[in-house]
Amino acid sequence: GENVEQHPSTLSVQEGDSAVIKCTYSDSASNYFPWYKQELGKGPQLIIDIRSNVGEKKDQRIAVTLNKTAKHFSLHITETQPEDSAVYFCAARGTGGYQKVTFGTGTKLQVIP
Amino acid sequence: EAQVTQNPRYLITVTGKKLTVTCSQNMNHEYMSWYRQDPGLGLRQIYYSMNVEVTDKGDVPEGYKVSRKEKRNFPLILESPSPNQTSLYFCASHGQAGGRQYFGPGTRLTVT
Repeated sequence: GENVEQHPSTLSVQEGDSAVIKCTYSDSASNYFPWYKQELGKGPQLIIDIRSNVGEKKDQRIAVTLNKTAKHFSLHITETQPEDSAVYFCAARGTGGYQKVTFGTGTKLQVIP
Repeated sequence: EAQVTQNPRYLITVTGKKLTVTCSQNMNHEYMSWYRQDPGLGLRQIYYSMNVEVTDKGDVPEGYKVSRKEKRNFPLILESPSPNQTSLYFCASHGQAGGRQYFGPGTRLTVT
């Protein structure tokens, strides 16, 4: 089955700096890559996603890049703010009847004011 | 408001005492899933359902049961809870194969 690795597990940045979280996946048939943000005491919420026919997608301060050949994708947050502090999960969805989503192990991002 | 609700939010119980965690969604979604979240392990799927009366095992189904008698509800049942089932549980739903998943607020379960 699919295996998703996520790095780093923790990340501290100064407010205003950029943060990058990287993920790799194993199943070359995976075609959808969502990113979730989980704030303390809440469930994960989708913040951005990318499909395999696109190399990059941007939404204000958040961007995701995908390298299908290398089977890795990354989340970039620019001009970080304290409210960006949270746990971030990457995920990969394969093909097939159910299209199961496999999650990475999470990155705890701390933005220091 | 589109949402997934779970109850209870917190539960402390003892080994062997049967419990049910309820999950309900108001978006008429076909697909629903249960996940457990443990430190360093991310979110692991327990069971999923593709529609009423259609359920299947995820990655870590041992010790759990589910049912899908109505489209909106997907309860998680622990017939004989054990301490290794102490975890944070999330229910999620999505409306079509490959659609965006919506997560509930989580249920923190402690089994002593």
